[in-house]
Amino acid sequence: SYELTQPPSVSVSPGQTARITCSGDALPKQYAYWYQQKPGQAPVLVIYKDSERPSGIPERFSGSSSGTTVTLTISGVQAEDEADYYCQSADSSGTYPHVVFGGGTKLTVL
Amino acid sequence: QVQLQESGPGLVKPSGTLSLTCAVSGGSISSSNWWSWVRQPPGKGLEWIGEIYHSGSTNYNPSLKSRVTISVDKSKNQFSLKLSSVTAADTAVYYCARATVQGVIRWFDPWGQGTLVTVSS
Repeated sequence: SYELTQPPSVSVSPGQTARITCSGDALPKQYAYWYQQKPGQAPVLVIYKDSERPSGIPERFSGSSSGTTVTLTISGVQAEDEADYYCQSADSSGTYPHVVFGGGTKLTVL
Repeated sequence: QVQLQESGPGLVKPSGTLSLTCAVSGGSISSSNWWSWVRQPPGKGLEWIGEIYHSGSTNYNPSLKSRVTISVDKSKNQFSLKLSSVTAADTAVYYCARATVQGVIRWFDPWGQGTLVTVSS
């Protein structure tokens, strides 16, 4: 079955830049989406279609894609950005919906 | 803006059926979106369960398809999840979410606050 691979954890100091990667063979053909999930809360969409930012999401959140890897970048990290981040995409084969989430990355703000 | 709220029993016995409802407010369930269920076992990642369109069309995760039924009640602007033959492995926080669909891809925004369902005798 198709998998999206994320690092389990990323740590940065406040004000620095955090980069969270997500790898998958179908990513050159399918968009990726990113969700932020704070403890005890529901996920929130922070990036869609690889690099688009929903209204209300701070400009410090950005996304990019290169080959089989997509990257969520948080510039000028703030303490409130500490959360779990999940990428999501789909297998490029077939026509049936195939929702795949990465395993999640815990962002720690030191 | 659209808001979603899950409701249902927080405890289900093994081999029983889990039943949850998601009430949609601030928008119509008959819009051009699909309506999804996603779950998250404690301390683990997210798993898509399935989705429904206001016409009643459904799509399910193949790994759960034999046990899942999702239905819609347009008169109440809500949709529901039933998961049969539950085991402890079905213990999770269950979220409902609005899905925007393009081909085989869908993304989820917004989400309900989630409800914890524990399977235990």
